[in-house]
Amino acid sequence: GAGVSQSPRYKVAKRGQDVALRCDPISGHVSLFWYQQALGQGPEFLTYFQNEAQLDKSGLPSDRFFAERPEGSVSTLKIQRTQQEDSAVYLCASSLRDWGGADTQYFGPGTRLTVL
Amino acid sequence: DQQVKQNSPSLSVQEGRISILNCDYTNSMFDYFLWYKKYPAEGPTFLISISSIKDKNEDGRFTVFLNKSAKHLSLHIVPSQPGDSAVYFCAAENQGGKLIFGQGTELSVKP
Repeated sequence: GAGVSQSPRYKVAKRGQDVALRCDPISGHVSLFWYQQALGQGPEFLTYFQNEAQLDKSGLPSDRFFAERPEGSVSTLKIQRTQQEDSAVYLCASSLRDWGGADTQYFGPGTRLTVL
Repeated sequence: DQQVKQNSPSLSVQEGRISILNCDYTNSMFDYFLWYKKYPAEGPTFLISISSIKDKNEDGRFTVFLNKSAKHLSLHIVPSQPGDSAVYFCAAENQGGKLIFGQGTELSVKP
């Protein structure tokens, strides 16, 4: 079946603009994660959903970052009043897991955000 | 505080030889580890994983070894192929389910 998809693949925003990044997880996957990857670094956790519930948002860098998954499938990461330091690749991952146990997260291709 | 470290930013290997990528971690509560491979402009692709109850997991040319006492894991690729050239990330899963990644090692396999 289809993997995780993300759109847009590339986004250029002027400083101060709001942006919305979309993630379509693998069908049937309960868990959804957002990560931020700066150039030359590994991905860093932003937030985690189990179905529509946002269970962990400890990685969101500021209150300008907001994520939602209202129907437990598609998720949107919104960044308000973008700053240059928000420039990064934003990765979405999904996994089957519900509670407990280890599970594999499958990643989308990412959205590269450039803030000018 | 880097909980997962890949101390070699790059590695170059001849085609057909073994590639060994290393990863160290600091948190003894981690109990599941994964390796991902990443090509430019693509998302990380899952490669292989290991649970802390094992010390070895093998899948074709890829083997992951886990040394819990040393808090060290390694990925062996034998034989290495030019198509293996990519950035490899090791990741540990914490109790909340999120992944903690290393900085990555860029592997180059020369024909």
